[in-house]
Amino acid sequence: GENVEQHPSTLSVQEGDSAVIKCTYSDSASNYFPWYKQELGKGPQLIIDIRSNVGEKKDQRIAVTLNKTAKHFSLHITETQPEDSAVYFCAAVNDYKLSFGAGTTVTVRA
Amino acid sequence: GAGVSQSPRYKVAKRGQDVALRCDPISGHVSLFWYQQALGQGPEFLTYFQNEAQLDKSGLPSDRFFAERPEGSVSTLKIQRTQQEDSAVYLCASSFEGANQPQHFGDGTRLSIL
Repeated sequence: GENVEQHPSTLSVQEGDSAVIKCTYSDSASNYFPWYKQELGKGPQLIIDIRSNVGEKKDQRIAVTLNKTAKHFSLHITETQPEDSAVYFCAAVNDYKLSFGAGTTVTVRA
Repeated sequence: GAGVSQSPRYKVAKRGQDVALRCDPISGHVSLFWYQQALGQGPEFLTYFQNEAQLDKSGLPSDRFFAERPEGSVSTLKIQRTQQEDSAVYLCASSFEGANQPQHFGDGTRLSIL
């Protein structure tokens, strides 16, 4: 089955700085890569996704990159704000089954 | 709002009791998924429905876990003879039909077994 590794497990950044989270996956058949943000007591919220035929996608302050050859994808958050503080999960999908990374706890310091 | 709705939000049960968790998917979403999330970890896949058909139950931890979606809408996850290791957050997600569709999650049911 798919194995997704996510780094770092915790990330503390100054407000206004950038945050980068990196993930690797094992199954070359995976072709859809969503990112989720989870706040305390809430379910995961889809914030951006990328498909295997695209190398990069951007939505306002967040962007994702995908390197299928290296089986590596990343989330970039620019101009971080206190409301960006949460746990972020990457995931890899082949058809329908989401395989999640272990999560990154992001803390934005004011 | 028209998001995925789960009930109850919190459930406390004694070891050995049976519990039932409910999920109302987004209207029009054919696919429905259950995930289990242990504290401090990412969600783990349990089972997948397309309409009323359970197409994949490979993630269910034991035969004490049972899920159904009899009319292709609301789904129930049932756990019989609960054990302490069943304590977790149970998340439901739904999506449109087809491969690699975005899955939208509810806020989950936090289950605590005493």
